[in-house]
Amino acid sequence: AAGVIQSPRHLIKEKRETATLKCYPIPRHDTVYWYQQGPGQDPQFLISFYEKMQSDKGSIPDRFSAQQFSDYHSELNMSSLELGDSALYFCASSLRRGYRPYNEQFFGPGTRLTVL
Amino acid sequence: AQKITQTQPGMFVQEKEAVTLDCTYDTSDQSYGLFWYKQPSSGEMIFLIYQGSYDEQNATEGRYSLNFQKARKSANLVISASQLGDSAMYFCAMREVRNFNKFYFGSGTKLNVKP
Repeated sequence: AAGVIQSPRHLIKEKRETATLKCYPIPRHDTVYWYQQGPGQDPQFLISFYEKMQSDKGSIPDRFSAQQFSDYHSELNMSSLELGDSALYFCASSLRRGYRPYNEQFFGPGTRLTVL
Repeated sequence: AQKITQTQPGMFVQEKEAVTLDCTYDTSDQSYGLFWYKQPSSGEMIFLIYQGSYDEQNATEGRYSLNFQKARKSANLVISASQLGDSAMYFCAMREVRNFNKFYFGSGTKLNVKP
């Protein structure tokens, strides 16, 4: 079965550069989530999209922005990168199916961003 | 307040034995879902099992079972017959109906299975 695809898998950038992370959700999934996981930490929710509209926002810095496109893929844009942005960035997707709270999220493999 | 609390930063278990990973949660919602994910050293997040707040029976998936005690707000993961490949980080997570678009994660438990 198709899974969530993230690209690139690894990214090395320097301070103050920009980075764009891409996520391709599971086909027919209508909701996309972005998470940031620092070393030794649990995933922190950044932002989510439902049917191409932003549906919720977590601890996403103002330097970051995200959007979901007509084909449901999503991009996380990160500008003025800082050393502290080095982390594993996960995208997850799910099918809403009427607000059932046990709709699981399927995670992508993550993009490991290193800022030097 | 922490939504999800995992009090065991690290645990050891002997191969072939059972192990219980603790998880307590905090919510005032009546409708919510509880999840466990496994994160091996390679980094991917693997869904293991879920429990809905209205489910009367404890969830089971192969060697994984969830010991759901609603009154105590606990959702412990039980892994039976541990295998070396079970060594990983395990995260408990929750979704509430009123904050549907957010998944709350615990801080994780690092499980090491000894041969």
